[in-house]
Amino acid sequence: EAGVAQSPRYKIIEKRQSVAFWCNPISGHATLYWYQQILGQGPKLLIQFQNNGVVDDSQLPKDRFSAERLKGVDSTLKIQPAKLEDSAVYLCASSLGGGHEQYFGPGTRLTVT
Amino acid sequence: GDSVTQMEGPVTLSEEAFLTINCTYTATGYPSLFWYVQYPGEGLQLLLKATKADDKGSNKGFEATYRKETTSFHLEKGSVQVSDSAVYFCALSHFRQLTFGSGTQLTVLP
Repeated sequence: EAGVAQSPRYKIIEKRQSVAFWCNPISGHATLYWYQQILGQGPKLLIQFQNNGVVDDSQLPKDRFSAERLKGVDSTLKIQPAKLEDSAVYLCASSLGGGHEQYFGPGTRLTVT
Repeated sequence: GDSVTQMEGPVTLSEEAFLTINCTYTATGYPSLFWYVQYPGEGLQLLLKATKADDKGSNKGFEATYRKETTSFHLEKGSVQVSDSAVYFCALSHFRQLTFGSGTQLTVLP
């Protein structure tokens, strides 16, 4: 069974630029999560989708971050414009449903200079 | 709100040493508790879990017991191997969302 795929694995941008991350969850998983993991900290949930609807985006900085999950499969997370404090690893996870075990992708390491 | 506090690292041990990584939590009600492991260059993997008080989760020689009276879920392994070198995260699940601790880096030397 293929795992959660993410791309790119690494990205370096300058502040005020925009960036997008892509996630392909495990086939059949209805729930998709995006986490932000700042160096030295645990992952923090940014947004949770159930199929193509948003379940929770309370910790998503909506003035600069956006996410979508068209057709209830792949998802993209965008940052526009980026700030220095956005430097982190962005993790995507998926599960059969809310409350089920989450499977994590390898993450995208973003560096904002 | 919910929170997880775990032992700060890094932790360095010799092969075959005994491992304990402390984890305590704050949450209302009865959360489920987890340990995740992150090997270099890989995503987080579920190591073990416990869903109610006094449950013991175990996997690959690792164990942790859900202690409600002390709100703890300490990770233990009797004899670590070099291949156990990784970052370990304690987490709780409440209202179907995960809250993570800050992680503990473990290095096992041959």
